[in-house]
Amino acid sequence: GAVVSQHPSWVICKSGTSVKIECRSLDFQATTMFWYRQFPKQSLMLMATSNEGSKATYEQGVEKDKFLINHASLTLSTLTVTSAHPEDSSFYICSARVPTGPSGANVLTFGAGSRLTVL
Amino acid sequence: QKEVEQNSGPLSVPEGAIASLNCTYSDRGSQSFFWYRQYSGKSPELIMFIYSNGDKEDGRFTAQLNKASQYVSLLIRDSQPSDSATYLCAVNQGGYQKVTFGIGTKLQVIP
Repeated sequence: GAVVSQHPSWVICKSGTSVKIECRSLDFQATTMFWYRQFPKQSLMLMATSNEGSKATYEQGVEKDKFLINHASLTLSTLTVTSAHPEDSSFYICSARVPTGPSGANVLTFGAGSRLTVL
Repeated sequence: QKEVEQNSGPLSVPEGAIASLNCTYSDRGSQSFFWYRQYSGKSPELIMFIYSNGDKEDGRFTAQLNKASQYVSLLIRDSQPSDSATYLCAVNQGGYQKVTFGIGTKLQVIP
């Protein structure tokens, strides 16, 4: 249980274009999803917290106009990288809290990740 | 000071040995602690979580927590080549707050 599906798994785009990444909770409802980014040999860095039906909460230093997050339903959150540039090339991973985890603990389940390469 | 610190490794152990992975955290108010395993090019998968001082065992894995020292460790007994991966320590301040990850320790189990 608690499966998160993410796609595309990899995408190559030209500089200046926009890319949308989808994250779906398959067997549970996720009112909150978390979007992480991971550069090679670096830690997962939280970009934003996506809340169903309301605006996402962005971490310091993350441009909200560049990384558009939409959480329109209890099972779907999307991240759109607008006007992508080579420095946006990274591994983007979504996650959601496991609903059967212990109360008060953010046990996360992750999507498979999306590797973005901007040429 | 980084919030969650790990030695990036690589840590090399022979097959069948015990691998010991360590992690320290800076926020004394942290309440939940996690170990995730990440294979190259893949997303993390949960191994264990712990929130009480002491040891927690699950099969070949034992997590140890010492809140006074702000220290978490993961022991892997009878290490197998399939355990070769990067192990991420993660900390949650409590409730449904964000989870902060360390850089991860790369483990290599030598056959």
